[in-house]
Amino acid sequence: EAQVTQNPRYLITVTGKKLTVTCSQNMNHEYMSWYRQDPGLGLRQIYYSMNVEVTDKGDVPEGYKVSRKEKRNFPLILESPSPNQTSLYFCASSGTENTEAFFGQGTRLTVV
Amino acid sequence: DQQVKQNSPSLSVQEGRISILNCDYTNSMFDYFLWYKKYPAEGPTFLISISSIKDKNEDGRFTVFLNKSAKHLSLHIVPSQPGDSAVYFCAASSTGSEKLVFGKGTKLTVNP
Repeated sequence: EAQVTQNPRYLITVTGKKLTVTCSQNMNHEYMSWYRQDPGLGLRQIYYSMNVEVTDKGDVPEGYKVSRKEKRNFPLILESPSPNQTSLYFCASSGTENTEAFFGQGTRLTVV
Repeated sequence: DQQVKQNSPSLSVQEGRISILNCDYTNSMFDYFLWYKKYPAEGPTFLISISSIKDKNEDGRFTVFLNKSAKHLSLHIVPSQPGDSAVYFCAASSTGSEKLVFGKGTKLTVNP
């Protein structure tokens, strides 16, 4: 089954404690991205990757890092989380331009 | 500056009637448009798309209309069913870029 898998689904952490949200896709897609969803703001892109070792900033990259060492994995790293990063995060992948993106189930992060 | 706008945060319709969700865009480079549906606690799922070379695309109960001169697209759901109750996101991309730009979403409620 084609899918994008995120872990964990839920996470509560404290300010400043580094965390990583993993994302893996089994569709051999080249393009992967991370979004955050906040009330009234919709889905905003954090970072994206066109292929292995190629990453770039999206619309709201501050406070986040990513890496793309393998085609299937695209982890999101928060080196020093802050309360304003409390949000619902989605990973997505797509094969080529002008095709639909597949989304993971989401990770609800709370930073206290 | 919002490039993709969904001006109605919510919409309520009766079961069996038509639901019309609207989306406007400002970037004339956009040439591919998608609609996603999102249930609570799940990731967005692809619903239907349309290329700028078309003005209509139909898939079962779902039809998307594109008016390029007005930079406007709409999603029609006929007949609406209670299971259609979800948040609907409009998204756009341009040739040469796999980046999707999302609107803020419209919450559709279909009442039995």
